Amino acid sequence: TQLLEQSPQFLSIQEGENLTVYCNSSSVFSSLQWYRQEPGEGPVLLVTVVTGGEVKKLKRLTFQFGDARKDSSLHITAAQPGDTGLYLCAGYSTKAAGNKLTFGGGTRVLVKP
Amino acid sequence: EAQVTQNPRYLITVTGKKLTVTCSQNMNHEYMSWYRQDPGLGLRQIYYSMNVEVTDKGDVPEGYKVSRKEKRNFPLILESPSPNQTSLYFCASSFSKTVYYEQYFGPGTRLTVT
Repeated sequence: TQLLEQSPQFLSIQEGENLTVYCNSSSVFSSLQWYRQEPGEGPVLLVTVVTGGEVKKLKRLTFQFGDARKDSSLHITAAQPGDTGLYLCAGYSTKAAGNKLTFGGGTRVLVKP
Repeated sequence: EAQVTQNPRYLITVTGKKLTVTCSQNMNHEYMSWYRQDPGLGLRQIYYSMNVEVTDKGDVPEGYKVSRKEKRNFPLILESPSPNQTSLYFCASSFSKTVYYEQYFGPGTRLTVT
C-alpha cells in the first residue's frame, strides 16, 4: 500500500506569515498534484508537478517535487485569509495497477486576519 | 459551465435502506470515480470507471456498487447501508486516467447512516 503523509495536520497562522506544508512517502510517484478544498465544496486542483526537482509557482504559492519524486512541499508566502482551506496532496503511480491516485490525509490551514 | 453534479447533497438514512447517490458530468470525460472522505484519512477511492460499461474496484469497495451505462452518469449504490458508511462522498471525473489530467470533483454528498 502506498501512503502519502502530510504534515502538519493543522496550521493556524496570522495574515502575512509564511507557511510550508509537507507531503512525504517512501514510494516513488510519476507525478504529484496539490488540491485545495473549501468547506462545502470538492477539492480543486492547484498544480501538477511531474519532474523530480521541479518547482512551480502560482502567485504566492510555491510547489516543489523532491528530486527522488517521493516527496513534495507547498510554501505560501505572506498568507492571506483567502488561503484558508484544506490542502491535499495526491500522487500518481504508474507502477500500481491502473495508474492509481493516492491522496494524503490533508493539512487544514487557518489564516487569521 | 463545466461541472460535476451530485445529488443529494445531504442524506440521513437508516441501516439497511437502499440508497443511490447520483453523479453527472457535462465535460464528456471518459474517467469517473467515487471517493469517500473521512477526517485524517484524506480521500479514498471506492470505485472507478474508465469508460461506459467499464468499472473497477478502488481501495474501499466493500458495501458499494456502481454502474456506468452512459458516459455522463456514474451513480453510487449502497444496497444495505451501515453506520460505518457515514461519510462525505465525492464524485470526480477527468478526461483520461493518466498522470497529467486534472480531476474535477463534485460538491460532495454528506451521508449519515443511523
